[in-house]
Amino acid sequence: GENVEQHPSTLSVQEGDSAVIKCTYSDSASNYFPWYKQELGKGPQLIIDIRSNVGEKKDQRIAVTLNKTAKHFSLHITETQPEDSAVYFCAATPKVGGATNKLIFGTGTLLAVQP
Amino acid sequence: EPEVTQTPSHQVTQMGQEVILRCVPISNHLYFYWYRQILGQKVEFLVSFYNNEISEKSEIFDDQFSVERPDGSNFTLKIRSTKLEDSAMYFCASSDRAREKLFFGSGTQLSVL
Repeated sequence: GENVEQHPSTLSVQEGDSAVIKCTYSDSASNYFPWYKQELGKGPQLIIDIRSNVGEKKDQRIAVTLNKTAKHFSLHITETQPEDSAVYFCAATPKVGGATNKLIFGTGTLLAVQP
Repeated sequence: EPEVTQTPSHQVTQMGQEVILRCVPISNHLYFYWYRQILGQKVEFLVSFYNNEISEKSEIFDDQFSVERPDGSNFTLKIRSTKLEDSAMYFCASSDRAREKLFFGSGTQLSVL
């Protein structure tokens, strides 16, 4: 089955710097890759996603890149702000038939943005 | 903005007791899910539900677990006889299309004593 690895487990940056979080996946048939932000005591919140037919997607300060050949995808946050501090999870959706949507999550990255 | 709501936010129960966790998905969504997160670990898939039936379930989702959509708005997870290892945060999620854009609730923290 699909396995998603995520690095680093913790990341500390200065406010205004960029942050990059990387994930690899094992199932080459996976075709949907969302990123979630989880703040303390809350549920995961979708911040950006990318499909396998696209190499890069950007939304303001957040971008995601996908390398299907290498089976890895990355989250890039530019001009980080203290409110970006949270745990970030990548995920992948194995391509299966039928009306289902099982997300396989990475282990999470605790991002701390120092003011 | 529409959101997934879950109740209760915290549930404490004795081992062997039955618990029901409740969720109200986003109103026009058709796909419903339960996930759980043990403290400090990754979010794990439990079950997906579509068209009034389970479409997929994980190894965790054994005979002690069941899901139900009793009416047009609620989606419930029942654990028949809780074990200590069931202690976790349980998240409900919904989506309006298969395979994409899951929206999660804030979770129910279940503590089994």
